[in-house]
Amino acid sequence: EAGVTQSPTHLIKTRGQQATLRCSPISGHTSVYWYQQALGLGLQFLLWYDEGEERNRGNFPPRFSGRQFPNYSSELNVNALELEDSALYLCASSLYSGTGISHFYYEQYFGPGTRLTVT
Amino acid sequence: AQSVTQLDSHVSVSEGTPVLLRCNYSSSYSPSLFWYVQHPNKGLQLLLKYTSAATLVKGINGFEAEFKKSETSFHLTKPSAHMSDAAEYFCVVSPYQFYFGTGTSLTVIP
Repeated sequence: EAGVTQSPTHLIKTRGQQATLRCSPISGHTSVYWYQQALGLGLQFLLWYDEGEERNRGNFPPRFSGRQFPNYSSELNVNALELEDSALYLCASSLYSGTGISHFYYEQYFGPGTRLTVT
Repeated sequence: AQSVTQLDSHVSVSEGTPVLLRCNYSSSYSPSLFWYVQHPNKGLQLLLKYTSAATLVKGINGFEAEFKKSETSFHLTKPSAHMSDAAEYFCVVSPYQFYFGTGTSLTVIP
């Protein structure tokens, strides 16, 4: 079974440009999560998509946005890139579906990440 | 509110000696707890998870963790460290959204 895939592996942009990162979840998973892992800051939750809708958002500015497609793949867009956006962006998928608190806590499976460098 | 505290940012052990990585959590709900490992320049790999079944959870590569509700802890252990265990380890608490600890870097000395 294929795992979570992300593309591209590396992305180099200049300040002010836009970056688009892509993620394909494990087959059958409906939820996709995006995380930013910047040096010294640990993993920061960015966005959660489930069944095509944004379910939750971390403490990031609106220039971080994304979407989930009908096939459950997802795209993360970062507009007006700043130097501090340089980080490893990780995508994860899980079986979780629905809103609110669930008694079924599904583990998340992570992709290898996209290394974004802003110069 | 949910949160995780990994009590050690860095742990160093000799090969063949036990590993203990400490994690305390806070959760308003009955939590699920996870440990993930991240090798350099790689994504995260699930080591083990606790979801209100047995309090002693066995994971991959000889790791295990014990859920102690009274102490709000979920420490990760391994009886004998191997060189390949050198990595960053993350403790995670959930429901429905993952809250990551800041990570513990494990160094294994030959």
